[in-house]
Amino acid sequence: AQSVTQLDSQVPVFEEAPVELRCNYSSSVSVYLFWYVQYPNQGLQLLLKYLSGSTLVKGINGFEAEFNKSQTSFHLRKPSVHISDTAEYFCAVSWQGGGNKLTFGTGTQLKVEL
Amino acid sequence: EAGVTQFPSHSVIEKGQTVTLRCDPISGHDNLYWYRRVMGKEIKFLLHFVKESKQDESGMPNNRFLAERTGGTYSTLKVQPAELEDSGVYFCASSSRGLEETQYFGPGTRLLVL
Repeated sequence: AQSVTQLDSQVPVFEEAPVELRCNYSSSVSVYLFWYVQYPNQGLQLLLKYLSGSTLVKGINGFEAEFNKSQTSFHLRKPSVHISDTAEYFCAVSWQGGGNKLTFGTGTQLKVEL
Repeated sequence: EAGVTQFPSHSVIEKGQTVTLRCDPISGHDNLYWYRRVMGKEIKFLLHFVKESKQDESGMPNNRFLAERTGGTYSTLKVQPAELEDSGVYFCASSSRGLEETQYFGPGTRLLVL
């Protein structure tokens, strides 16, 4: 069965500092990878996704993620965070033969401080 | 273009009562999904409709949950009778086609069973 691990439940960071949110997955088949963000009192919004091709994926709001097949990781990065990036971030996977359903990690709460 | 909408935004009910959640997908999206996040846990898949047909209901927890999508437009998720462990946030998502397509999420319905 496929699974997603987000080891960091909370990540505090100062404004303008870089940040990396970690995501590892477990799967015996090829996967598609997603990062979603949930701002307070809002629904989930897609930040970026990896389907195939270049392993470095750029998303909205200056975020990017790199697919590393050998390490089964899809870490999310931003070189300089802003207060408005404070939100909960979810890594998710789907896979061929798994239907369309997404399997999510437990989420990482990013708190950006002044 | 309107996004995915969900009603109600919040619901507080007593154990044993019935609650019906509604989801209106993005117009033209054949795929509709229900997910649930119990407090402190990951977002979990419940079921997937393609038009009015249930494509995958492997995540439905038990027969107290009934989902419908009459006419292939909006969907309802009924919980009858509700139990304490049903508390959580219920998300609906929709997508236009299949596996690679982005799932667009609604803001969720926060259900509290007392």
